[in-house]
Amino acid sequence: GEDVEQSLFLSVREGDSSVINCTYTDSSSTYLYWYKQEPGAGLQLLTYIFSNMDMKQDQRLTVLLNKKDKHLSLRIADTQTGDSAIYFCAETLNTGFQKLVFGTGTRLLVSP
Amino acid sequence: DARVTQTPRHKVTEMGQEVTMRCQPILGHNTVFWYRQTMMQGLELLAYFRNRAPLDDSGMPKDRFSAEMPDATLATLKIQPSEPRDSAVYFCASGPGQGVGANVLTFGAGSRLTVL
Repeated sequence: GEDVEQSLFLSVREGDSSVINCTYTDSSSTYLYWYKQEPGAGLQLLTYIFSNMDMKQDQRLTVLLNKKDKHLSLRIADTQTGDSAIYFCAETLNTGFQKLVFGTGTRLLVSP
Repeated sequence: DARVTQTPRHKVTEMGQEVTMRCQPILGHNTVFWYRQTMMQGLELLAYFRNRAPLDDSGMPKDRFSAEMPDATLATLKIQPSEPRDSAVYFCASGPGQGVGANVLTFGAGSRLTVL
């Protein structure tokens, strides 16, 4: 199927690390993405990882990819209240054209 | 700062009325997507265009929804007749469609539709 699964909610305290997990379905996905959606806004690309990589770091963000288990995670270090948002992972399905399929989204709540 | 522009931002209408949502993709992007977001279903892909040609609209209810790209600067999503279950936020996104960042999509701010 095309289900990309994520946990629905995550609550952390400011300054802690947040880890958002995602399982995807297509082992041939070439790129996997993390998008962020703030209230009342569209999705905004945070970062993406090429499938031949295990890890990608970008400032406070670390993406880990486990291709064997089709598991993707996003770690946010030193989480701030401004990081409160919905985070979506997305995979590229190679179905003739490259179709981007989004997960259900994880709502991150950061409390002071 | 290139952006995807969607209009209207908000629309309240009565059941049975026609609704047209518009999107101006980023200049030079050759892929355009329409997504619908609801609490229950999350993000659903409705339609996908490449070089203005529709490639996939399998996620779209064909009897009442239609999507077109009359030119490279305009994509439209039309619902006729609208029903209360169509209430959602509709997002348009565009992407380069080629190269390393082919599927890096830029989303518009969305059109929030309420059908009474």
